[in-house]
Amino acid sequence: GEDVEQSLFLSVREGDSSVINCTYTDSSSTYLYWYKQEPGAGLQLLTYIFSNMDMKQDQRLTVLLNKKDKHLSLRIADTQTGDSAIYFCAESIRRGGATNKLIFGTGTLLAVQP
Amino acid sequence: NAGVTQTPKFQVLKTGQSMTLQCAQDMNHNSMYWYRQDPGMGLRLIYYSASEGTTDKGEVPNGYNVSRLNKREFSLRLESAAPSQTSVYFCASSRDRDDGYTFGSGTRLTVV
Repeated sequence: GEDVEQSLFLSVREGDSSVINCTYTDSSSTYLYWYKQEPGAGLQLLTYIFSNMDMKQDQRLTVLLNKKDKHLSLRIADTQTGDSAIYFCAESIRRGGATNKLIFGTGTLLAVQP
Repeated sequence: NAGVTQTPKFQVLKTGQSMTLQCAQDMNHNSMYWYRQDPGMGLRLIYYSASEGTTDKGEVPNGYNVSRLNKREFSLRLESAAPSQTSVYFCASSRDRDDGYTFGSGTRLTVV
């Protein structure tokens, strides 16, 4: 089946690191994504990782992928109040045809305390 | 460059009414998608269109129809709205099969 799971809530203090975790079920996923949603807005692509990679770093963001355990994490270094948002993990499902489908997790609400 | 544009932003319908949610993208993307977002359930795929002229069902297609009018536009129709369709609806598009999606800002629909 296709399922992506995330914890619902994470609270951190400004300046600390945040780690948001995600587990997925489809071992054939080619790409895994992290999206950010600010209040009242659509989803914004933050970063993604190809399934043959273990780690990807992009400024304050570090993505770790454990393909054996089907576990993905997003680490935000030096978390700021502007990072407060809902973060969605998504896996790319390919079932033939010309397009992939993204299956999203339930989202993790990150609250950054000043 | 507007990206993905959705209209309207807000809508209140009475049970049984019909309406069409509009979505247009100006990035020459091949694929387009409709999702609904409900609290605690993340985003669920309603319908998608891999390319102009094709549409396919997603996870939760019941009660909806779609039209891929041309490469730019992908509309979602509720023929007879029900309170269970109260949700935030997002349209998205992507260029290639492994590209991340670009999302619109959403339509908040309430059915009373």
